[in-house]
Amino acid sequence: EIVLTQSPGTLSLSPGERATLSCRASQSVTGSYLAWYQQKSGQAPRLLIYGASSRATGIPDRFSGSGSGTDFTLTIRRLEPEDFAVYYCQQYGSSPRTFGPGTKVDIK
Amino acid sequence: QVQLVQSGAEVKKPGASVKVSCKASGYTFTCCYMHWVRQAPGQGPEWMGAISPRGGSTNYAQEFQGRVTMTWDTSTTTIYMELSSLKSEDTAVYYCARASGAAGTPNDYWGQGTLVTVSS
Repeated sequence: EIVLTQSPGTLSLSPGERATLSCRASQSVTGSYLAWYQQKSGQAPRLLIYGASSRATGIPDRFSGSGSGTDFTLTIRRLEPEDFAVYYCQQYGSSPRTFGPGTKVDIK
Repeated sequence: QVQLVQSGAEVKKPGASVKVSCKASGYTFTCCYMHWVRQAPGQGPEWMGAISPRGGSTNYAQEFQGRVTMTWDTSTTTIYMELSSLKSEDTAVYYCARASGAAGTPNDYWGQGTLVTVSS
């Protein structure tokens, strides 16, 4: 099973700032099948990025993903008020699909 | 538009079973796998398994083997997840989540979640 580690656990930033979130895998992620999800309190996760760097339908271009192998990054170029949430990475190239523990982006 | 609508909250006693439904609409039902993901309070999501409505193949996470059963009904475009021998640790929100293909596709649409509480 691929174990995903996310850092930092919490990121305290102000609106307009840049957020950089990290996801590291215990072994190489097949096909760069790495996704990022945003989750707000009481809601289901929302797909942001798939294939490490492709934006899902309707996702603003301030969200970008990069990386390959075992190291991946989600960048939010300029934080908007609605971006403060928890972000999870997920690998879906190997079974079982696994998720990271999440990074909470909160308002400084 | 794609919609996944899940059944309502459940309260169960330890040792009982729970069956959660997920009604799909807005796409060709047999095109896609349906995954089940649960999330315990304050925790990250945990993948439980998946089923293909085309042919019925299933893939369950080892942790749930023997306790989980996923089924489908094409006539009502509904997917079901049944979890047996419930323990307090099974208290969580359970989500269905579509994947547009087989392996190698992300979960692009999610249900609203079903809270299952296991308590004596």
